[in-house]
Amino acid sequence: EIVLTQSPGTLSLSPGERATLSCRASHNVRGNYLAWYQHKPGQAPRLLIYDASIRATGISDRFSGSGSGTDFTLTISRLEPEDFAVYLCQQYGGSPMTFGPGTKVDIK
Amino acid sequence: QVQLVESGGGVVQPARSLRLSCEASGFTFSNYGMHWVRQAPGRGLEWVGVISYGGGLQYYADSVKGRFIISRDNSKNTMYLQMNSLRDEDTAVYYCAKEPTTFTANWYFDLWGPGTSVTVSS
Repeated sequence: EIVLTQSPGTLSLSPGERATLSCRASHNVRGNYLAWYQHKPGQAPRLLIYDASIRATGISDRFSGSGSGTDFTLTISRLEPEDFAVYLCQQYGGSPMTFGPGTKVDIK
Repeated sequence: QVQLVESGGGVVQPARSLRLSCEASGFTFSNYGMHWVRQAPGRGLEWVGVISYGGGLQYYADSVKGRFIISRDNSKNTMYLQMNSLRDEDTAVYYCAKEPTTFTANWYFDLWGPGTSVTVSS
């Protein structure tokens, strides 16, 4: 099973700042099959990025994904008030699929 | 409106059974594989299982294999999770989630429901 580690656990930033979130895998993620989701309490998770770097339909270009192999990054270029949430990575290149524990982006 | 809505959660005693439902709307349900994912209190998301678009194939996480059964009724746009022999560690919020592509397995999710809470407790 591929274990995903996300860092930092919490990121405290101000609106307008840049957020850089890391997701590291214990083994190579086949095909760079890695997705990022935004999750707010009591709501459904929202797909942001799939295949490591492809933005999902309707997602702002402030969100970008990069990386390959075992190291992946989600960047939010300029934080908007609605961006403060938990961000999860998921790998679907290995069986079973697994999720990271999340990075909480909160308002400084 | 494109959405998934789970229902059927609640409090149940250990060793008992519970059935969750996931009702879909706004898209052609019968064209997509569907999954259940859960999140226990204070823990990360855990994949539970998947059912193919036609319902003929199911795969499960080792933690629920032999106890949980996923089924679907495409005429009702609904997927089910039959949970048997429930344990304390099955306590979680259960989400249903939709694959993004028709007729092709692609195990990330472009649509999730808001979740339904299951508590296993005596």
